[in-house]
Amino acid sequence: AQSVTQLDSHVSVSEGTPVLLRCNYSSSYSPSLFWYVQHPNKGLQLLLKYTSAATLVKGINGFEAEFKKSETSFHLTKPSAHMSDAAEYFCVVNTYRNDMRFGAGTRLTVKP
Amino acid sequence: DAGVTQSPTHLIKTRGQQVTLRCSPKSGHDTVSWYQQALGQGPQFIFQYYEEEERQRGNFPDRFSGHQFPNYSSELNVNALLLGDSALYLCASSLGIGTDSNQPQHFGDGTRLSIL
Repeated sequence: AQSVTQLDSHVSVSEGTPVLLRCNYSSSYSPSLFWYVQHPNKGLQLLLKYTSAATLVKGINGFEAEFKKSETSFHLTKPSAHMSDAAEYFCVVNTYRNDMRFGAGTRLTVKP
Repeated sequence: DAGVTQSPTHLIKTRGQQVTLRCSPKSGHDTVSWYQQALGQGPQFIFQYYEEEERQRGNFPDRFSGHQFPNYSSELNVNALLLGDSALYLCASSLGIGTDSNQPQHFGDGTRLSIL
């Protein structure tokens, strides 16, 4: 069965410093992986997706993620955090039935 | 280009009552999925509708049911409400089902359901 594990429930960084949000996946075949962001009282916005075309995926707002099959990881990074990046981030795997399995989420706090 | 729209935004019910939530998919999408997001947790898949039929279902009791209309909009019905049904209910739309697992789903802002 496909699943994802987000390794940190909460990450705190200072504005202007790098962001790293960690995600490991479990899948019996080549997965489709996504990162979504959720701002308070809002729905989910797609940041980026991995679909096997390239292992380094660039998304919106300066985020990117690298798919590492040997480590079964799909970590999300950003070189320099902005105050507006403060939100909840979800790593997601899409099953062959097209129902999405979400991680528990990582809350990102950005300090001024 | 209208995205996924959900109504109402907030709803308060009491235990034992029934509720209906509504969703209009993004223009051009024909598949609607529903998720339940409890406070502090990730969304959990409830079910998915395509061509007016329930195609996939997550681990939710029969109290949760749905419908999809010819215009692709959808309803989520919950009967005999329990306190534990308090959550944010998210609707997501996409194009097609099954084989194309590469495409992401587009989410609405959700309906916040509170059970007293």
